[in-house]
Amino acid sequence: DIQMTQSPASLSASLGETVTIQCRASEDIYSGLAWYQQKPGKSPQLLIYGASSLQDGVPSRFSGSGSGTQYSLKISSMQTEDEGVYFCQQGLKYPWTFGGGTKLELK
Amino acid sequence: QVTLKESGPGILQPSQTLSLTCTFSGFSLSTYGMGVGWIRQPSGKGLEWLANIWWDDDKYYNPSLKNRLTISKDTSNNQAFLKITNVDTADTATYYCARINSGLFDYWGQGVMVTVSS
Repeated sequence: DIQMTQSPASLSASLGETVTIQCRASEDIYSGLAWYQQKPGKSPQLLIYGASSLQDGVPSRFSGSGSGTQYSLKISSMQTEDEGVYFCQQGLKYPWTFGGGTKLELK
Repeated sequence: QVTLKESGPGILQPSQTLSLTCTFSGFSLSTYGMGVGWIRQPSGKGLEWLANIWWDDDKYYNPSLKNRLTISKDTSNNQAFLKITNVDTADTATYYCARINSGLFDYWGQGVMVTVSS
């Protein structure tokens, strides 16, 4: 199985601050990576697909990058509504796997 | 507009079979390339992929649940189903269904909470 390791597990950021979340795959996933945001009591929402493509309707302050086994999600200017838990997911090989999640809070 | 909604028993006892239904609209599981997946999330924890079913009836399961899972679909009624046999307290979670698009889940249902308790 491909293991997905996210870091950090939690972080807090001030309004306007740049936030970066990392996701490492246990083998090359050839950019087959998605990022999701989950707010309390809600289902996950797709933010980024193909490692760097922004899903329709997602604010442009979100961006994804990376290749091979190392990927990152960046929020260029932290907003109140960005609080939540962020997950990465690989869909290259079965079983599809998710990272453990990163909890982002407003400082 | 793509929507999905899960339904299930809410609560069941250990050793019983959990039956979940995903009713969707805005796409068809008879369309080439379409798929629906099931994912679960214990309270306060991470996401676990369970199973996928594709337009051509191809099916994939998480081997960690061994032979307990069965996924199926009713294309004419826009529904997908998941059965989990011999449940125990570790199966207590919110269960989501989601549309698959190129190796990811682009639309999710609201989730259904399932509690396994004696």
